[in-house]
Amino acid sequence: KNEVEQSPQNLTAQEGEFITINCSYSVGISALHWLQQHPGGGIVSLFMLSSGKKKHGRLIATINIQEKHSSLHITASHPRDSAVYICAVFKAAGNKLTFGGGTRVLVKP
Amino acid sequence: DAGVTQSPTHLIKTRGQQVTLRCSPKSGHDTVSWYQQALGQGPQFIFQYYEEEERQRGNFPDRFSGHQFPNYSSELNVNALLLGDSALYLCASSLVDRGRETQYFGPGTRLLVL
Repeated sequence: KNEVEQSPQNLTAQEGEFITINCSYSVGISALHWLQQHPGGGIVSLFMLSSGKKKHGRLIATINIQEKHSSLHITASHPRDSAVYICAVFKAAGNKLTFGGGTRVLVKP
Repeated sequence: DAGVTQSPTHLIKTRGQQVTLRCSPKSGHDTVSWYQQALGQGPQFIFQYYEEEERQRGNFPDRFSGHQFPNYSSELNVNALLLGDSALYLCASSLVDRGRETQYFGPGTRLLVL
């Protein structure tokens, strides 16, 4: 079983819809990243969380440390949000990121 | 600030050859991590360099080696290339900030082994 699991693997939405991506992890962590990867490969860090909730524009990320679960929400989705969204964690002991498999999001106009 | 840069952007090699990929970290960052991302999968950690030494290593064979220079830039070397080494290679730089590391990713080098 992977230490970081994401769901769903693929998601298709209509423009304007509310999108939720989930991430569950099985190890103790010091922080969790939500990353966005567009076709072509470049990765952009959206959020780094260790507790609570963060908001940036139409993106909201939450984390529940006790339940070892995080969610990324996209409000009023837009075709330019189409990308792969990846959850990655820093384990409590260690300096490297462990990645989930990613969620491929397609937002149709 | 140029952010994290990587070179080359794309590379084609044949089996058995050797390849060197390069990464320049974000200004002020002293730690460089390398990741391999196969098509359709999440990145896998290869190793991390700090103060010119390999600080941590993932489950990759010795064919994968690296180096960090005094200016914190880094190289990833892969010897005896296999078809399965075809992947996107990502470099991330970081700086310890209040006990946590915020990693900034480069655009990646896409390697194709024929």
